Amino acid sequence: DIVMTQAPDSLAVSLGERATINCKSSQSVFYSPHSRESVAWYQQKSGQPPKLLIDGASVRHSGVPDRFSGSGSGTDFTLTISSLQAEDVAVYYCQQYFSLPLTFGGGTRVEIK
Amino acid sequence: QVQLQQSGPGLVKPAQTLSLTCAISGDSVSSDNAAWNWIRQSPSRGLEWLGRTYYRSTWFYDYADSVTSRISIRADTSKNQFSLNLNSVTHEDTAVYYCARGWSLNFWGQGSLVTVSS
Repeated sequence: DIVMTQAPDSLAVSLGERATINCKSSQSVFYSPHSRESVAWYQQKSGQPPKLLIDGASVRHSGVPDRFSGSGSGTDFTLTISSLQAEDVAVYYCQQYFSLPLTFGGGTRVEIK
Repeated sequence: QVQLQQSGPGLVKPAQTLSLTCAISGDSVSSDNAAWNWIRQSPSRGLEWLGRTYYRSTWFYDYADSVTSRISIRADTSKNQFSLNLNSVTHEDTAVYYCARGWSLNFWGQGSLVTVSS
């Protein structure tokens, strides 16, 4: 199984400041037929299901604000919130869909400082 | 817009079968470019993928090793839905269960808290 390791576990950022979340996969998740990294990022607010933010490591899902961006390649990936808003308080997860079983990181809780 | 609506009991007795259904609107369970997943979430195990089904001229099923001896996922094309059956449950199967579409999971059901207790 591919292990997804997120850091940090939690993060407190001032409103308007940048938040950066890291995710490391235990092996490459590059899917060569699509020339794309098979990594997705999700936001989960309290009492709600996860919501897809980013797939292909860097492609924003429809309707996702452009303050959310994803980057990375190989085994190291990053989710950045460029200017934290109050509504961004949530737990964020990375996920790989390169191979079965689909696996998720342990989550990063983002709070307002 | 795809919507997934989950239904099923919230309380299951130990050793019995957990059964949930996910009704699909805005897409077809037999779509040839979708996959239909079950995922669960608990404090102890985090987000855990359980299995999926998809149709590519025939039906395919993939299951997580941790539950493969106890799980069944089936599609019902007449009702445009898919279901999860997990038998011989224990308290460790207590979790919020979600259905979701895709490989990157672009649409999710609302979640169903299932408690295993006598």
